[in-house]
Amino acid sequence: QKEVEQDPGPLSVPEGAIVSLNCTYSNSAFQYFMWYRQYSRKGPELLMYTYSSGNKEDGRFTAQVDKSSKYISLFIRDSQPSDSATYLCAMTKNTGNQFYFGTGTSLTVIP
Amino acid sequence: DTEVTQTPKHLVMGMTNKKSLKCEQHMGHRAMYWYKQKAKKPPELMFVYSYEKLSINESVPSRFSPECPNSSLLNLHLHALQPEDSALYLCASSQLGQTYGYTFGSGTRLTVV
Repeated sequence: QKEVEQDPGPLSVPEGAIVSLNCTYSNSAFQYFMWYRQYSRKGPELLMYTYSSGNKEDGRFTAQVDKSSKYISLFIRDSQPSDSATYLCAMTKNTGNQFYFGTGTSLTVIP
Repeated sequence: DTEVTQTPKHLVMGMTNKKSLKCEQHMGHRAMYWYKQKAKKPPELMFVYSYEKLSINESVPSRFSPECPNSSLLNLHLHALQPEDSALYLCASSQLGQTYGYTFGSGTRLTVV
């Protein structure tokens, strides 16, 4: 079983839709959870960071962590064509020197 | 400066060539990383440097040789690569013990012919 599972998609939504991206994980030692956005042929860019369980909001983006279910989500409100990218979840146990990535979900927002 | 700069952006090399990838950051980060990313796959960790010393080598073949000449620079020397080594090579940096993610460079897209 992989440490981190993520539906690869692809996901295609109309502009303005609410997008939900999800990851599940198996290791209860994970404490820190991140979402990266990666545009085609570019490096990943940190979007959201959450420690332990709870919600975090930043503009149109909300990250949720449910440690009891080993499930994390990223919600994008009022999605824009510029949100079209691959979204990778990542997590780490403690000191952060090794990250575990999901496979990434490809998102296309259609104008 | 909040960037990690990687050069070159694209590289095509033959299987007998020797080439190097370069990574530079001026954020004072003391941990630097090399990742390999194949198409539609997540990044895979190759090497971790902490305080310019190699701390993690994820069983990477010896045809990949990392080097950290100083706290701002990270190189990846390539020799006798195989076509299956074609990928996007990503450099990243972070503060040691930082748990809220790395700063990634834009990567070097390597094609081995």
